[in-house]
Amino acid sequence: GAVVSQHPSRVICKSGTSVKIECRSLDFQATTMFWYRQFPKQSLMLMATSNEGSKATYEQGVEKDKFLINHASLTLSTLTVTSAHPEDSSFYICSARDSRRGDGYTFGSGTRLTVV
Amino acid sequence: GESVGLHLPTLSVQEGDNSIINCAYSNSASDYFIWYKQESGKGPQFIIDIRSNMDKRQGQRVTVLLNKTVKHLSLQIAATQPGDSAVYFCAENQGAQKLVFGQGTRLTINP
Repeated sequence: GAVVSQHPSRVICKSGTSVKIECRSLDFQATTMFWYRQFPKQSLMLMATSNEGSKATYEQGVEKDKFLINHASLTLSTLTVTSAHPEDSSFYICSARDSRRGDGYTFGSGTRLTVV
Repeated sequence: GESVGLHLPTLSVQEGDNSIINCAYSNSASDYFIWYKQESGKGPQFIIDIRSNMDKRQGQRVTVLLNKTVKHLSLQIAATQPGDSAVYFCAENQGAQKLVFGQGTRLTINP
């Protein structure tokens, strides 16, 4: 089946620094990937849609200059949280569509970001 | 904006019993729905899906029912096991490749 690998699984960083999270589709090509954020005991909120070779589409209220998304290949999308602050601490999850499976969405295992 | 919601935030059932998790959606144009299971600290895991041209779909121990008239979705888990304890989300495909998640229901299986 389709597998999406997300790295790192946990990261702690200092306020003001930047953190990069990688999302890879291991056995399929994903022209579109999605980035979600999940706060404790809450649902997943879509942050942006990442399109290979073009600019990401951000949801309303998500700062594109703070959450940089790069989708340089059909198997890799990255999310960089720039100038991180404690309020950015959250669980970040990526998802990718495998076009061979129609509307199938496959999720990564998530990244727990803690900003201290 | 439109969103998918759930009726109950928590649900406790005895091991071996059946459980039913409900979901209400508001976008009548949505044509595809998915149920996910999420364990603590992990990403969502696909359980079962259903398209709007169907009203029922069965998998292994799980059944999804769709009532388009009242815009209601349910997930039935038969013969629950301890490993079924998790948070369950319904998600609605609102077109343009956009999945909207409901609030989630925490299912606890009591021994």
